[in-house]
Amino acid sequence: AQSVTQPDIHITVSEGASLELRCNYSYGATPYLFWYVQSPGQGLQLLLKYFSGDTLVQGIKGFEAEFKRSQSSFNLRKPSVHWSDAAEYFCAVGPMEYGNKLVFGAGTILRVKS
Amino acid sequence: DVKVTQSSRYLVKRTGEKVFLECVQDMDHENMFWYRQDPGLGLRLIYFSYDVKMKEKGDIPEGYSVSREKKERFSLILESASTNQTSMYLCASSPSKGVGYTQYFGPGTRLTVL
Repeated sequence: AQSVTQPDIHITVSEGASLELRCNYSYGATPYLFWYVQSPGQGLQLLLKYFSGDTLVQGIKGFEAEFKRSQSSFNLRKPSVHWSDAAEYFCAVGPMEYGNKLVFGAGTILRVKS
Repeated sequence: DVKVTQSSRYLVKRTGEKVFLECVQDMDHENMFWYRQDPGLGLRLIYFSYDVKMKEKGDIPEGYSVSREKKERFSLILESASTNQTSMYLCASSPSKGVGYTQYFGPGTRLTVL
């Protein structure tokens, strides 16, 4: 069965520090992978996605993620966190074929200390 | 820009009431989705629709039904609301063709059932 694990429920980092949010997936075929961000009281906004090609993907707001097939991981990184990055982050996996249905992780809440 | 709108941001209903949550997208997307979001559980798919009048159950369809009479509109119906349906409800849409589909989300409806 498809599943996504985000091992960290909460993460706190200092403003200006680097960030890595972990995502591991279980999927029977080549997956599409996504990271979404949700600011308080808002819907989800796409940060970046991976379909094929270069395994290092650049997204909006200075985020990047690296697909590692051997580790079934798609970790999200940012070199320097800003206070406005405080939000909840969701990793998701979906099929390349029919369906477009995504399976989401439970989310990681990021807090930023000033 | 893709726009997905939901009829209400906040809704308070009584146990046993019939509740309608409306979602409209303006990008002519074939696929539309209803998710439920609860803390620590991420997003769980209730129903999705891949065409007008077509629907498929997601992971947690019990207690819900849906309607899609027009391509741009997808409604979630709680036939008889219960307190355990208090949650955040998110609607999304996506194209069904081509590489690189993305789900676009509305702002969410926070439903409280008393």
